[in-house]
Amino acid sequence: GDSVTQMEGPVTLSEEAFLTINCTYTATGYPSLFWYVQYPGEGLQLLLKATKADDKGSNKGFEATYRKETTSFHLEKGSVQVSDSAVYFCLIGGSNYKLTFGKGTLLTVNP
Amino acid sequence: GAGVSQSPSNKVTEKGKDVELRCDPISGHTALYWYRQSLGQGLEFLIYFQGNSAPDKSGLPSDRFSAERTGGSVSTLTIQRTQQEDSAVYLCASSPETASYEQYFGPGTRLTVT
Repeated sequence: GDSVTQMEGPVTLSEEAFLTINCTYTATGYPSLFWYVQYPGEGLQLLLKATKADDKGSNKGFEATYRKETTSFHLEKGSVQVSDSAVYFCLIGGSNYKLTFGKGTLLTVNP
Repeated sequence: GAGVSQSPSNKVTEKGKDVELRCDPISGHTALYWYRQSLGQGLEFLIYFQGNSAPDKSGLPSDRFSAERTGGSVSTLTIQRTQQEDSAVYLCASSPETASYEQYFGPGTRLTVT
């Protein structure tokens, strides 16, 4: 079945540091790929998405590129802020409506 | 507008008791999902409702779990004869019919079985 492997946390960075959270997946067909974020005390929310190979999803300074050849969808941000502290989840949406989640990566950004 | 709401936010129950968890989706959203997040695990899909179609129950872990959605809106997840391994955060999400992968999540219900 479909599966997602993402970098284990926790990840601790200083403000303005560069962020990469790795994500690889296994799926049949050509799934859509997503990053969701959960800020402290809040519900999960969609951060960005990509629906086909070589698409780049972007939002709030975060980017991720759908790499079919490496089955990856790594999340990057050039300069993190304290307000980016959250848990980040990589997901795939297969040929159906179901989302398959990675285990989540806790990011803490210190001032 | 109002987001997805869930109740209760926390529930502590004794092993063997039944529990009901409630989800109020965003008004107008036709799709509704239940997920479970166990300690140290990712989120796992439980069940999916889409409009008036038969629900997809393929993620329910055992026949002690059931869910219904009344009037295409509110949903209730019921766990009978709870076990300690049922302890988890249960999340509900909804989405408009045209964007089923863009799901809007509620805050979750933390269930603890003692």
